[in-house]
Formats: sequence, structure tokens, C-alpha cells
Amino acid sequence: AQSVAQPEDQVNVAEGNPLTVKCTYSVSGNPYLFWYVQYPNRGLQFLLKYITGDNLVKGSYGFEAEFNKSQTSFHLKKPSALVSDSALYFCAAFTTSGTYKYIFGTGTRLKVLA
Amino acid sequence: DVKVTQSSRYLVKRTGEKVFLECVQDMDHENMFWYRQDPGLGLRLIYFSYDVKMKEKGDIPEGYSVSREKKERFSLILESASTNQTSMYLCASSLRPYEQYFGPGTRLTVT
Repeated sequence: AQSVAQPEDQVNVAEGNPLTVKCTYSVSGNPYLFWYVQYPNRGLQFLLKYITGDNLVKGSYGFEAEFNKSQTSFHLKKPSALVSDSALYFCAAFTTSGTYKYIFGTGTRLKVLA
Repeated sequence: DVKVTQSSRYLVKRTGEKVFLECVQDMDHENMFWYRQDPGLGLRLIYFSYDVKMKEKGDIPEGYSVSREKKERFSLILESASTNQTSMYLCASSLRPYEQYFGPGTRLTVT
């Protein structure tokens, strides 16, 4: 079965430190990859996507993500975390093989400590 | 900016009630989606629609139905609400299949 894995339920990082939220995928073909953020009691907001091209993708709010095809990973990064980055982050893959389908990870809660 | 609105932010219903969750988008998108979000399970697709009066089952359609009479409106219906349908429900719309815009969500509690 196709899947997206976010191995950490929660990531804690001190304000000002770099952060990484991990994502790996097991999806056939060449999926499109996404990161979304969800603040409390809100819907999902788009952060960034990888479709093709440069493996380092830059997105909103200073976030970036690195696509690694050999490791089937798409980790989210930020050089310097802010307390306001604390939220729930979802990685997702959009498969273009067969039926179009979005596959979401289970989410990682990021807590940035002041 | 794309705007996707959902009729209620919070809803409390009793077991056995028929529940309607409404979603409206203002960008003339053809595709609309209903997901439910549960801790530790991420988002799971309930139903989607790629045109008026068209619908397709997602991964967990049991206990739900949908209606799309107009392009901008996609309704999720719980025919007889049960406690295991207590969840956060998210609606999304898209022009291209992979560019989904999400509404704010409806947190439904069934008692």
C-alpha cells in the first residue's frame, strides 16, 4: 500500500535553533510532494511543494524542504525556529499513477520553546 | 485569494441524528473534497467530486454521503450520526487536482 510516514509525533526545538521535520514516502511513480501547516482549530495551510526540478524547495514563512529521491524523503527545514512556528505539520504525496490521489502523513507536532 | 468556507466551526449532535456539513468555495473550482482528521491518523478522504452531481468514494465513505447540486457547494451528510464519527472534518477545493485549498474545518462531536 502506498504511504507517507512522519516518524516523529512531536519535535521540540529551542527558539533560534534550526529545525527539521522528517517525511518519507512509499508511493509509485513520481509523486508530487507537499508540506502543510495547521494552527489550532484551523484548516491546513499550504507551505511548499516539489513537483520537479531543484531538490531544495523554498516555501512560505522561511521554510524549505529537501527532496531526496534515493532515500524517498522530503524533510522540512528552517534555519532558525520561531515560537510562532509551533503547529501541526503534515507531509503529503500526490500520486499521478493510476487514480489521482492525495496521501497524507499522520502529522508532526512542532513545539518551539522560548 | 481562494476562499473555502464551512458552515460551522463547532457542532454537537446526538447519536442517530442526520447531520449536514456544508462547504462553499468562491473560485469556480471543479474539484471538491471532504476529509476527516483524527489524531495519529492524519487526513483520510471520505468523498470527492470533480463536477456538479458527480461524486466518487474516497478511502472511508461508510456512514457518509455527499451532495453537489451547484459547483460552489459540496455537502457532507451523516445519515445517522454515531459516536465514532466524532472528528474534525475538512473540506477542500482545487482547480488542478494537486493544489488543494482547505477550509477552516468543522469539529463535530456526537454524543
